[in-house]
Amino acid sequence: AAGVIQSPRHLIKEKRETATLKCYPIPRHDTVYWYQQGPGQDPQFLISFYEKMQSDKGSIPDRFSAQQFSDYHSELNMSSLELGDSALYFCASSLKINPSYNEQFFGPGTRLTVL
Amino acid sequence: ELKVEQNPLFLSMQEGKNYTIYCNYSTTSDRLYWYRQDPGKSLESLFVLLSNGAVKQEGRLMASLDTKARLSTLHITAAVHDLSATYFCAVDRNSGGSNYKLTFGKGTLLTVNP
Repeated sequence: AAGVIQSPRHLIKEKRETATLKCYPIPRHDTVYWYQQGPGQDPQFLISFYEKMQSDKGSIPDRFSAQQFSDYHSELNMSSLELGDSALYFCASSLKINPSYNEQFFGPGTRLTVL
Repeated sequence: ELKVEQNPLFLSMQEGKNYTIYCNYSTTSDRLYWYRQDPGKSLESLFVLLSNGAVKQEGRLMASLDTKARLSTLHITAAVHDLSATYFCAVDRNSGGSNYKLTFGKGTLLTVNP
């Protein structure tokens, strides 16, 4: 079965540079979530989109922005990178078919290292 | 603010032994999830618990949910080395509209020794 695809899988940037992370949800899934997981930490919710509209925002820095496109893929744009942005970034997708069931399926993650 | 607490955070077990990981959450929630994560890898869904009294089993792992106590348990039976990983519980909550963001516990790092 098709899974969530993320690219790139690894990314190395210098401080103050910009980075763009891409996420391709499972086909027919209409909701995308972004999470950040620092070393030894639990994943933290950043932002989510439903049907191409932002649906919720978590602890996402103002330097970050994201959007979901017409083909449902999503991009997380990160500017003025800081050392503390080094983390695993996960994208998850789900299908809002029934409010009583909303399992999120996670992609393999993008490991961002800021030097 | 929804809080999710797991314990223990670190668990070292011998093969063949049983143990339980606990997950408490602070407010009414819609669903509870258990995930497994190997180092540097993605989050693998283990169980989705949807209602009070729900019990699910897969191999040597069994998860249960008590919504009245706001408690879920992940029980490990006769542990084997392949179960070594970090286990997260997570709770989702409708934060308005169609959104169900996950709030995770800190994770339990399980090491199974021969």
